[in-house]
Amino acid sequence: GIQVEQSPPDLILQEGANSTLRCNFSDSVNNLQWFHQNPWGQLINLFYIPSGTKQNGRLSATTVATERYSLLYISSSQTTDSGVYFCAGDLRDDKIIFGKGTRLHILP
Amino acid sequence: EAGVTQFPSHSVIEKGQTVTLRCDPISGHDNLYWYRRVMGKEIKFLLHFVKESKQDESGMPNNRFLAERTGGTYSTLKVQPAELEDSGVYFCASSPIVGVAYFGPGTRLTVT
Repeated sequence: GIQVEQSPPDLILQEGANSTLRCNFSDSVNNLQWFHQNPWGQLINLFYIPSGTKQNGRLSATTVATERYSLLYISSSQTTDSGVYFCAGDLRDDKIIFGKGTRLHILP
Repeated sequence: EAGVTQFPSHSVIEKGQTVTLRCDPISGHDNLYWYRRVMGKEIKFLLHFVKESKQDESGMPNNRFLAERTGGTYSTLKVQPAELEDSGVYFCASSPIVGVAYFGPGTRLTVT
């Protein structure tokens, strides 16, 4: 089946640093999204980004659908950015496939 | 290892009927989460179990939704009575610790 690989699996940064998270798909997916699971388990939608680039404050995301990857950029990290970041996409049969996540820990 | 499984994969019911969704987490994972994606594609948190206890159920939309996790193993999510706006994809995730999650394939619920 289609595989979703997220990298890095774990990332520890000092507050104020920038980071880039990557999501690779082994095949084409639709409706690619990025989520942040906060330390309380809640999944927060960050971007719906099937292609192109979007920005929201300190966060931005870029999806290159033809090359089957997406990047999430976090600038000037804050401790509240800590948590797990997931990418997910819809397969042709309308199933949703998630990556295993990147665990981000921002140190004060 | 076997992943998170959900049953059924697709359910079509009439308004007013009852539906029970099931999630089997990865063996040994104490944390189990339910989420749903309704129209608009935004995924919303429903609740979080730690073993058999509800750690956080702040996302449950109303009392028509009842989640249980018997013996800290599999979990069920019952919708009774189902309404049209309950249509969407319900999926669960499990994790050995908070901060890592393995997602199931989801159950697509269609209420007509």
